[in-house]
Amino acid sequence: DQQVKQNSPSLSVQEGRISILNCDYTNSMFDYFLWYKKYPAEGPTFLISISSIKDKNEDGRFTVFLNKSAKHLSLHIVPSQPGDSAVYFCAARERGNNAGNMLTFGGGTRLMVKP
Amino acid sequence: EAGVTQSPTHLIKTRGQQATLRCSPISGHTSVYWYQQALGLGLQFLLWYDEGEERNRGNFPPRFSGRQFPNYSSELNVNALELEDSALYLCASSYYLNSNQPQHFGDGTRLSIL
Repeated sequence: DQQVKQNSPSLSVQEGRISILNCDYTNSMFDYFLWYKKYPAEGPTFLISISSIKDKNEDGRFTVFLNKSAKHLSLHIVPSQPGDSAVYFCAARERGNNAGNMLTFGGGTRLMVKP
Repeated sequence: EAGVTQSPTHLIKTRGQQATLRCSPISGHTSVYWYQQALGLGLQFLLWYDEGEERNRGNFPPRFSGRQFPNYSSELNVNALELEDSALYLCASSYYLNSNQPQHFGDGTRLSIL
């Protein structure tokens, strides 16, 4: 039972254009969502997060949108740069003390930005 | 500030052996999380330790175990290794609760079972 899903295994965009990565979830108890970027042979690097009380969070070129009614979030990268080429993971945290900051991850989307 | 460090970088074992992986969290972080990333798959939650106690574990058999030391560093032990245990094992650390602070990851230990 995959509680966090990234339905696109890969995405290719041209440098300077917008990249949109999508993520769907099923668990209504998730209250905090994060995006991580991962290069080969490195650990995931935190990019941006959003609390369930918000619907948008922006940090430079990165914006995360949350649609709670649709249980959907997306990461927008504008403008895309070749250095953004990596695997992007969506993650979610469940509310409650037993969960701590434990995260459930999606399967990842490989983004390729072409020069 | 030093990040999360993991050792060794690579570990090669044979079936039936035991493996020990180590993790040092970011200073000030009390929680340590272990994840498994098998080839082509996402990150699967393994174990969560905080203040020396196991707080939660994922859907993995009991031969996956670990501990957290008083300095908050952690070990992951995998007994009776099987071929399907070949994966990247990632450690992350964070503050304990709900401060909406992200987990920070180390670069992982690549475990290969021959």
